[in-house]
Amino acid sequence: AQKVTQAQTEISVVEKEDVTLDCVYETRDTTYYLFWYKQPPSGELVFLIRRNSFDEQNEISGRYSWNFQKSTSSFNFTITASQVVDSAVYFCALSRPGTGFQKLVFGTGTRLLVSP
Amino acid sequence: GAGVSQSPSNKVTEKGKDVELRCDPISGHTALYWYRQRLGQGLEFLIYFQGNSAPDKSGLPSDRFSAERTGESVSTLTIQRTQQEDSAVYLCASSLVPQVTPNTEAFFGQGTRLTVV
Repeated sequence: AQKVTQAQTEISVVEKEDVTLDCVYETRDTTYYLFWYKQPPSGELVFLIRRNSFDEQNEISGRYSWNFQKSTSSFNFTITASQVVDSAVYFCALSRPGTGFQKLVFGTGTRLLVSP
Repeated sequence: GAGVSQSPSNKVTEKGKDVELRCDPISGHTALYWYRQRLGQGLEFLIYFQGNSAPDKSGLPSDRFSAERTGESVSTLTIQRTQQEDSAVYLCASSLVPQVTPNTEAFFGQGTRLTVV
């Protein structure tokens, strides 16, 4: 069975602080995808990143970076120099390649509050 | 349209009443998904449509829930005899093709927040 755990329910930081959102996953598959989505107050889920299980390189996109470690089954997300606009709920998700998006397994989300 | 559109954005209904939620997917997207998001929870899959194939209803929690989609257009999710535990945000998504690949993505609507009182 597949499972995604986001142990941090809510994190509050002050603008310009760095913050890391944790994601731990469980799967018996050797090939899988990991995702991060952002859900701003408007409600829609916004795709941030997809990572293939064969690619353990860390990725940086502007202020965002992701640390994928298969040894610990973690795919953590760091926001550097956080901004108020980063306030949202962030979801980590897991999928088997080739399966449908309906099979995405989501974590319970981490609410990030960035105050000025 | 430019994105996935859902209506209404908010719905308050009395327990026992039926409600209908609407999703207008991105034009040309063959796959459409309904998810439920309860307060403080992740997304739960409800139902999936792919073209003219029979829908995957494996996520529907009870027979009070049903959904329809005509071809590759609008979908409606109907909840009959609503209960308080049905209160949640109902999210719709669509994708050009159904499979998760390096080059495909599901696009989500803003959801309908349903409150059953």
